[in-house]
Amino acid sequence: SQQGEEDPQALSIQEGENATMNCSYKTSINNLQWYRQNSGRGLVHLILIRSNEREKHSGRLRVTLDTSKKSSSLLITASRAADTASYFCATDAESGGSNYKLTFGKGTLLTVNP
Amino acid sequence: DVKVTQSSRYLVKRTGEKVFLECVQDMDHENMFWYRQDPGLGLRLIYFSYDVKMKEKGDIPEGYSVSREKKERFSLILESASTNQTSMYLCASSLGEPQHFGDGTRLSIL
Repeated sequence: SQQGEEDPQALSIQEGENATMNCSYKTSINNLQWYRQNSGRGLVHLILIRSNEREKHSGRLRVTLDTSKKSSSLLITASRAADTASYFCATDAESGGSNYKLTFGKGTLLTVNP
Repeated sequence: DVKVTQSSRYLVKRTGEKVFLECVQDMDHENMFWYRQDPGLGLRLIYFSYDVKMKEKGDIPEGYSVSREKKERFSLILESASTNQTSMYLCASSLGEPQHFGDGTRLSIL
């Protein structure tokens, strides 16, 4: 079952611009996470936001969460060519005993042109 | 830093073969996961394990089995490989949040 869905599927910007990616999900969650994947590599965790938080920052990353709309956004400011990657949101199930099982979206492919 | 190591980056096997994909983590994590990643479908959970010898089916377990005899090692087994199992396979481990991923095994079944 697909929980998170990212939008847009692909995004191309110039270096220095901001990039915004969105994620929508269907059921109640404990937290939402964002991961990054460089081409041909594994996923790397970027940031986690809990269901009782509305906004979180980490360096050039800003994540928002709107549980009433079941949506999240990831903003990357002052993008660099090295930010070129696929970005995935992942949600857990609110129900207990999930053993931290996550459901991932299909990802947004971000291309930052030098 | 957590290190999750998958035994092969690229693997080519033939239809009908029994295929083993190995994953080892070095952080004493209780939870380990196997995903497959296909274009347009994202990551889908095949199996996960929350303790030695414990396993649970994910969203797409058909055609796969797993083994976890030691805490640090989680194996994915394709009992009789088929062409529709050609994919990128990703292993992950966690103590809670977040999950830490290996670099993946790109498996081709001919």
